[in-house]
Amino acid sequence: NAGVTQTPKFRVLKTGQSMTLLCAQDMNHEYMYWYRQDPGMGLRLIHYSVGEGTTAKGEVPDGYNVSRLKKQNFLLGLESAAPSQTSVYFCASSYRTGGNQPQHFGDGTRLSIL
Amino acid sequence: AQSVTQLDSQVPVFEEAPVELRCNYSSSVSVYLFWYVQYPNQGLQLLLKYLSGSTLVKGINGFEAEFNKSQTSFHLRKPSVHISDTAEYFCAVSGTSYGKLTFGQGTILTVHP
Repeated sequence: NAGVTQTPKFRVLKTGQSMTLLCAQDMNHEYMYWYRQDPGMGLRLIHYSVGEGTTAKGEVPDGYNVSRLKKQNFLLGLESAAPSQTSVYFCASSYRTGGNQPQHFGDGTRLSIL
Repeated sequence: AQSVTQLDSQVPVFEEAPVELRCNYSSSVSVYLFWYVQYPNQGLQLLLKYLSGSTLVKGINGFEAEFNKSQTSFHLRKPSVHISDTAEYFCAVSGTSYGKLTFGQGTILTVHP
């Protein structure tokens, strides 16, 4: 049972470099989410998607872009990485929901920007 | 707008002692409430959820939480903790808008032998 798989697990970037984080889920979930986790701040929503081909901004979207070309995949891009984007990034997915469905999380991607 | 406050950033406790992790929330609409647990270097796992009905909800690993609407609280409890309960615990609320979660800051529970 793979669930939600995130790649890569670790990455170190230099300021100004770009990269894409991949999230894949095998549960046929409609909704997918990207969060960042910083010490003492819990998890904050970056972007989310309610279906293939749709994306929307969350609480902290600046500096990130996303795409959902296939239902099972949700990509998070950093076009020009900044040290403030050093964080642990989590992808999550859920069934179509009005809020009462739990989210299923991947194991995270630890990203350091030097 | 919704917000969640976890009142303790760290809670140390001895093995087999009871523990309570406190969570308060604010929202202008009805919400659903969740507790998640994060073990070191892992993602978040659902412990329990309150959707409606009985205000006392039971979850995995012997945890339970009580929803108190008048005090806007959703405290997590366990009568006897084990070393393996050492982890970070997150309280979260969801409104009806696409299941988006608002998380608290997290509480690190450390169980000492």
